[in-house]
Amino acid sequence: GIQVEQSPPDLILQEGANSTLRCNFSDSVNNLQWFHQNPWGQLINLFYIPSGTKQNGRLSATTVATERYSLLYISSSQTTDSGVYFCAGGGAQKLVFGQGTRLTINP
Amino acid sequence: NAGVTQTPKFRILKIGQSMTLQCTQDMNHNYMYWYRQDPGMGLKLIYYSVGAGITDKGEVPNGYNVSRSTTEDFPLRLELAAPSQTSVYFCASSYFGRTGGSYEQYFGPGTRLTVT
Repeated sequence: GIQVEQSPPDLILQEGANSTLRCNFSDSVNNLQWFHQNPWGQLINLFYIPSGTKQNGRLSATTVATERYSLLYISSSQTTDSGVYFCAGGGAQKLVFGQGTRLTINP
Repeated sequence: NAGVTQTPKFRILKIGQSMTLQCTQDMNHNYMYWYRQDPGMGLKLIYYSVGAGITDKGEVPNGYNVSRSTTEDFPLRLELAAPSQTSVYFCASSYFGRTGGSYEQYFGPGTRLTVT
């Protein structure tokens, strides 16, 4: 089955810094989603992005489907951005999650 | 819309006990899913359903059962709880069909289960 790898596993930044999180997947996908899991465990949908580029405020994402990777950009980080970021890829029936990137934003 | 709701939020079970985790969605989604998340890990698919009366196994189905009698509800049953089933359980739903939709999945708040 499909495999999803995320990098880096951990990232510690100062407030105001920018960051890039990467997701590689082993096969073509019809579904590619980015999630933020906050410190309370809630999964928040960030982007549904099987291809192309999307932006939402300080966050943006790009998926290059032909090269099987996706990037999540966070600009001007805030302490509330802390948590674990997951990407997940697959199709209608099955979504495979990566191991996550733990982001810590220090004030 | 409430979206995807799950009950209970927390539960402690003794080894060998049984329980049902409830999941309901009010978005008229045809696809529903159960995942589990172990500490420090990503989510893994347990079971999924593409419509009422149709279910199939995911990556880690052993020790669990599901049913889907209505579009809205997708309960997950643990028959003989084991410590290895200590985890956080997430339910999700999505819509895809001939009239449109996408594969995007929407998640509930999770149920934290401890088996001792």
